[in-house]
Amino acid sequence: DAGVIQSPRHEVTEMGQEVTLRCKPISGHNSLFWYRQTMMRGLELLIYFNNNVPIDDSGMPEDRFSAKMPNASFSTLKIQPSEPRDSAVYFCASSYPVNTEAFFGQGTRLTVV
Amino acid sequence: GENVEQHPSTLSVQEGDSAVIKCTYSDSASNYFPWYKQELGKRPQLIIDIRSNVGEKKDQRIAVTLNKTAKHFSLHITETQPEDSAVYFCAASIKAGGTSYGKLTFGQGTILTVHP
Repeated sequence: DAGVIQSPRHEVTEMGQEVTLRCKPISGHNSLFWYRQTMMRGLELLIYFNNNVPIDDSGMPEDRFSAKMPNASFSTLKIQPSEPRDSAVYFCASSYPVNTEAFFGQGTRLTVV
Repeated sequence: GENVEQHPSTLSVQEGDSAVIKCTYSDSASNYFPWYKQELGKRPQLIIDIRSNVGEKKDQRIAVTLNKTAKHFSLHITETQPEDSAVYFCAASIKAGGTSYGKLTFGQGTILTVHP
């Protein structure tokens, strides 16, 4: 397996634009997590899914953020409209079964100017 | 919800010395405690983990200890090498509504620098 695959690796966008980050979890994993990493706040859990169902989105900072998982092999994190303070590295991770290693993707470095 | 505190935030050691990083957690329902290493510009990767039914686990130069009563766990790296330099994160997995989905709450991270 190629591991957790995220795209794009880097994204530079202007304030106000819509940004969509994509994630393909490891095949067979049934939990998927979206994290945001910044120097100030460290690794923050934004939302996680189990069997494609959102379980906890309490970490999503604002209504501008939304996430979907239409099937077991694909998830998106959307920011609309984007703001400079959204600049961060966004990681997707997956795991199976519960309480085992979470594998991280390579991350998407988002810069909003 | 779960809260994980990690100390120190930075740690500088000489090659060959030992390094210890400590974490505390708040929710007694947590039962899985992994440690991740993140090199500059790369993804976090698991280096060792421990479950609440075990007090200590060792893998070559790396060991982790868990004290459930005190709700703290520690990472020990012996005979440190320059390639151990990275950011280390502890984490705790919390149960949600009696069913665990593997949600991890991370500590703030420790920047470890090993000087040759």
